[in-house]
Amino acid sequence: DAGVIQSPRHEVTEMGQEVTLRCKPISGHNSLFWYRQTMMRGLELLIYFNNNVPIDDSGMPEDRFSAKMPNASFSTLKIQPSEPRDSAVYFCASSLTSGDLAKNIQYFGAGTRLSVL
Amino acid sequence: GENVEQHPSTLSVQEGDSAVIKCTYSDSASNYFPWYKQELGKGPQLIIDIRSNVGEKKDQRIAVTLNKTAKHFSLHITETQPEDSAVYFCAASIGGGTSYGKLTFGQGTILTVHP
Repeated sequence: DAGVIQSPRHEVTEMGQEVTLRCKPISGHNSLFWYRQTMMRGLELLIYFNNNVPIDDSGMPEDRFSAKMPNASFSTLKIQPSEPRDSAVYFCASSLTSGDLAKNIQYFGAGTRLSVL
Repeated sequence: GENVEQHPSTLSVQEGDSAVIKCTYSDSASNYFPWYKQELGKGPQLIIDIRSNVGEKKDQRIAVTLNKTAKHFSLHITETQPEDSAVYFCAASIGGGTSYGKLTFGQGTILTVHP
């Protein structure tokens, strides 16, 4: 399996522009997580989905952030309008969530490094 | 909600020495404790995990211990090598039910192994 695939790997944009980050989870996984990583705040969970349904978006910082999962193999995280303080590395992770705890392991993508100028 | 504290924030050791990273958690319902290693420019990768029905788990040079009563768990790396240099994160989760495996991460430890 190719693992969790994120695109783009790097994104540089100007303040006020719309940014869309993409994620393809591991085939067969039913949970997907979006994280943001900064030096100041570490790894923060933004939102997560189970069976394409958003379960908890309490980590989304502002209404400028939105996430969708239209099907089991694709998710997007959108920032509109972007601001310099949104600069961070954004990770997507997926897992096979079931009653068997042994399978509840999260696998991370390589991340998207976002720079908002 | 769950809160995970991790110490130290940085750790520097000589090659061949042991390294220990400690974490505490707040929610007694947490029952799954993974450790992730993050190398530069990459996403975190699971290196070992432990569940609340086990007190210790070992995989070659790495081991994890769990004290449910005190709500803390630790990562032990023996015979460290330069390639062990990375950022290490502990995490806690309430596995199963409606949590869907949501992880709460510690702040991370930057481990540097000097040749």
